[in-house]
Amino acid sequence: DSGVTQTPKHLITATGQRVTLRCSPRSGDLSVYWYQQSLDQGLQFLIQYYNGEERAKGNILERFSAQQFPDLHSELNLSSLELGDSALYFCASSGGGTGELFFGEGSRLTVL
Amino acid sequence: GESVGLHLPTLSVQEGDNSIINCAYSNSASDYFIWYKQESGKGPQFIIDIRSNMDKRQGQRVTVLLNKTVKHLSLQIAATQPGDSAVYFCAETQSSYKLIFGSGTRLLVRP
Repeated sequence: DSGVTQTPKHLITATGQRVTLRCSPRSGDLSVYWYQQSLDQGLQFLIQYYNGEERAKGNILERFSAQQFPDLHSELNLSSLELGDSALYFCASSGGGTGELFFGEGSRLTVL
Repeated sequence: GESVGLHLPTLSVQEGDNSIINCAYSNSASDYFIWYKQESGKGPQFIIDIRSNMDKRQGQRVTVLLNKTVKHLSLQIAATQPGDSAVYFCAETQSSYKLIFGSGTRLLVRP
């Protein structure tokens, strides 16, 4: 158990809809990262937050947004969903001092 | 976009043999590298890391080699076991920003 909690584990929705994925980092970790993993693909970095502030941005679509709250949990919002958004979305956290990330089990999104 | 590593290849090894998984990284300014293991249905798990001021680091049954001249990273697994079957990702970062993952290598261990 990495200590990172993601909900929901599975989500099925329709094109055009909006979903919110939630992540609780390990206790004490200030950094939260979001990654997207499509079938048999690597992990695509989306965005990183550190103590509530956006720290780094990757290939995140404009239809996607994220935030980190004062209690350090984070949410990833995906809107106007398309079939191609179907993927595993991973959240990871770190203490900020090194690059080692601790990953959650992921949220599997299926867009029909 | 930014990328590290190879399109997902598969490495098949006999149980008990040594495995070598290779990775090419793109950013010569990267100063920290990590290997992750991802089992089916799970999130990636840290295996071993290495900083750019080193060229070799050993863990339990695993060794990471870094060749900065050719921007190459390798993971060696000694006496490969069935439990080592997974997808292995290398990842790079510069100053702990934006940990960028490669596309991964699938390791299959034959009994």
